[in-house]
Amino acid sequence: GDSVTQMEGPVTLSEEAFLTINCTYTATGYPSLFWYVQYPGEGLQLLLKATKADDKGSNKGFEATYRKETTSFHLEKGSVQVSDSAVYFCALSKFGSNYKLTFGKGTLLTVNP
Amino acid sequence: GAGVSQSPRYKVAKRGQDVALRCDPISGHVSLFWYQQALGQGPEFLTYFQNEAQLDKSGLPSDRFFAERPEGSVSTLKIQRTQQEDSAVYLCASSLKRLGTGGNEKLFFGSGTQLSVL
Repeated sequence: GDSVTQMEGPVTLSEEAFLTINCTYTATGYPSLFWYVQYPGEGLQLLLKATKADDKGSNKGFEATYRKETTSFHLEKGSVQVSDSAVYFCALSKFGSNYKLTFGKGTLLTVNP
Repeated sequence: GAGVSQSPRYKVAKRGQDVALRCDPISGHVSLFWYQQALGQGPEFLTYFQNEAQLDKSGLPSDRFFAERPEGSVSTLKIQRTQQEDSAVYLCASSLKRLGTGGNEKLFFGSGTQLSVL
């Protein structure tokens, strides 16, 4: 079945450091890919998405590029802030079943001042 | 309210008890979802409603799990004869439009109900 694998956490960075959280997927067909973020005490929020190969999703300084050849959707940010501390989830959905998201296990990011 | 509201925020149940978890989606949202998130895991799909119709319940782990949305707004997830393996955070999400064949409509998640079965 479909699956998402993302790098194990926790990840701890200093403010203004460069962030990469790796995500790879296994799926038949052409899934849409997502990054969700969960801030402490809040619900999951969509951070960015990409619906086809080579698309780049971006939001709040975060970026991820849909790489079909490597089945990857790595999350990057050039300069993290303390307020970026959260749990980040990579997810996919399949055309024809967009409501059924398949999530990775999540990566806890802590940014220290 | 402005977002998806879930209650209770925390629920402790003794093994064998029945529990009911409530979800108030954003007003007017057609689609409603339930996900289960075990400790250290990502959310896993349980069931999907379009208005009052339960279109997909393939993720419900056993017949002890039952969900309803009788008037197409508030939804209740009921777990009968709870077991320790049911301990998890139960997430509800809603979306303005119906989903299925395209569109990738934005989902709005609630903060979840953390269920602990002793």
